[in-house]
Amino acid sequence: GENVEQHPSTLSVQEGDSAVIKCTYSDSASNYFPWYKQELGKGPQLIIDIRSNVGEKKDQRIAVTLNKTAKHFSLHITETQPEDSAVYFCAASMGDSSYKLIFGSGTRLLVRP
Amino acid sequence: DTEVTQTPKHLVMGMTNKKSLKCEQHMGHRAMYWYKQKAKKPPELMFVYSYEKLSINESVPSRFSPECPNSSLLNLHLHALQPEDSALYLCASSHGPPRGDLYEKLFFGSGTQLSVL
Repeated sequence: GENVEQHPSTLSVQEGDSAVIKCTYSDSASNYFPWYKQELGKGPQLIIDIRSNVGEKKDQRIAVTLNKTAKHFSLHITETQPEDSAVYFCAASMGDSSYKLIFGSGTRLLVRP
Repeated sequence: DTEVTQTPKHLVMGMTNKKSLKCEQHMGHRAMYWYKQKAKKPPELMFVYSYEKLSINESVPSRFSPECPNSSLLNLHLHALQPEDSALYLCASSHGPPRGDLYEKLFFGSGTQLSVL
């Protein structure tokens, strides 16, 4: 079945450094790729998304890149801050235009002050 | 208002109890979702309502019963739950159903942390 693999499962960086999280999807018909940040005790928060007709999208310190040929997409956070510490989930839409998002397994990011 | 509000935030119930989770949004969204999230796992889709009609039931046991009284409200009625049903239950909403290649952004509430004893 459709699958999204996410790496690494944990990531520890020094404040001010960059963090990169990578995801690979299996459904070649997937066309929407959101990233969610989940802090302890809260629901997932949409932080950035990209559609299949775009290769890169930026929003301040956050950027997402998409390589449709290789079926992978990545989240880049620059100038990390302690408040970036959270669990990050990537997701890919099912190619059948259904409501379903296939989520990656999550990356726990720790930004050390 | 860009919030999805869920109540209660925490709920402890016995296996013979009946309880309900509530979700509300005032963004004019016409699709609403229930997700279940176990600790250290991604959210798993349970139900989807589109224009107040149940569109998707991901083979969820009948002890979970969803209800969509109107376009702003979504309930999840719980009855005779098992300890393994303990999890974070998340409500989400989107502007509407997917339209061809245009997948709608999904916004989550903060969830109800449910413990079944």
